[in-house]
Amino acid sequence: DTAVSQTPKYLVTQMGNDKSIKCEQNLGHDTMYWYKQDSKKFLKIMFSYNNKELIINETVPNRFSPKSPDKAHLNLHINSLELGDSAVYFCASSSRPGSSYEQYFGPGTRLTVT
Amino acid sequence: GNSVTQMEGPVTLSEEAFLTINCTYTATGYPSLFWYVQYPGEGLQLLLKATKADDKGSNKGFEATYRKETTSFHLEKGSVQVSDSAVYFCALSENAGGTSYGKLTFGQGTILTVHP
Repeated sequence: DTAVSQTPKYLVTQMGNDKSIKCEQNLGHDTMYWYKQDSKKFLKIMFSYNNKELIINETVPNRFSPKSPDKAHLNLHINSLELGDSAVYFCASSSRPGSSYEQYFGPGTRLTVT
Repeated sequence: GNSVTQMEGPVTLSEEAFLTINCTYTATGYPSLFWYVQYPGEGLQLLLKATKADDKGSNKGFEATYRKETTSFHLEKGSVQVSDSAVYFCALSENAGGTSYGKLTFGQGTILTVHP
C-alpha cells in the first residue's frame, strides 16, 4: 500500500500546454503539500492545504493552481507550461500542519517541457 | 527569512568510513530541525528530527544534535555502507505560533556516494 501516490510519474509535454498532476494519500492526514525540486536538487514549497483549505501559498506564478477536492487529494494544475517549469514535483502529507509533524513524501512526478 | 546551508557535495567515501555532513540554519523563531534522505528515483524519507535545543535525533546509525548556540544540526554516522548512498537534505520548520503551518525550508542537498 502506497502511503502517498502521485500520477503520472513522468510527464513530457510541449510549451503552452495545460497539464495536471494528481496526488492521493491514504494515511488519513489533514495536511498536504506541493514541493518543486529543480535540476540542482533544490526543494522549495509551493502550496499547502489543511482540511481542503489553502494555508500556504508561496510566490508561485498564478499559472499554477492547486485543488483539493477532499482531504485525501491535492492536485496541481499548470496552465500555459513554460520551459522553466521542468522539474520534479513532490506531493507530501502530514497529520497536522504544525512544525514538528513528519511529512510523508510521494515518489515525485518528473515534468519535462519541450 | 529562514534559510538552511549544507556543506558542498558531492561526498565520496569508502565503506565503513565516518560521515559528517554539516548543516547550519538561520531562523527568526524556534525551529524544528530535520534530516531527510532521497534514494535514487524515490521521494524523500524522514531520517531523523529534533524539535528543541540539545535534542539528539537518531535513526539507522545516523545522529544529529540540535545546537542552538552554533545554529547547527550536523549529520554523523560512524560507519557508512554502500546502501547509504543517497542525497541528504537538512531542513527546518519554524515554530512561529503555528503560522508557519509546517512549511519546510530545505538546504541544497548533499550527494553521498559510498564505494565498497
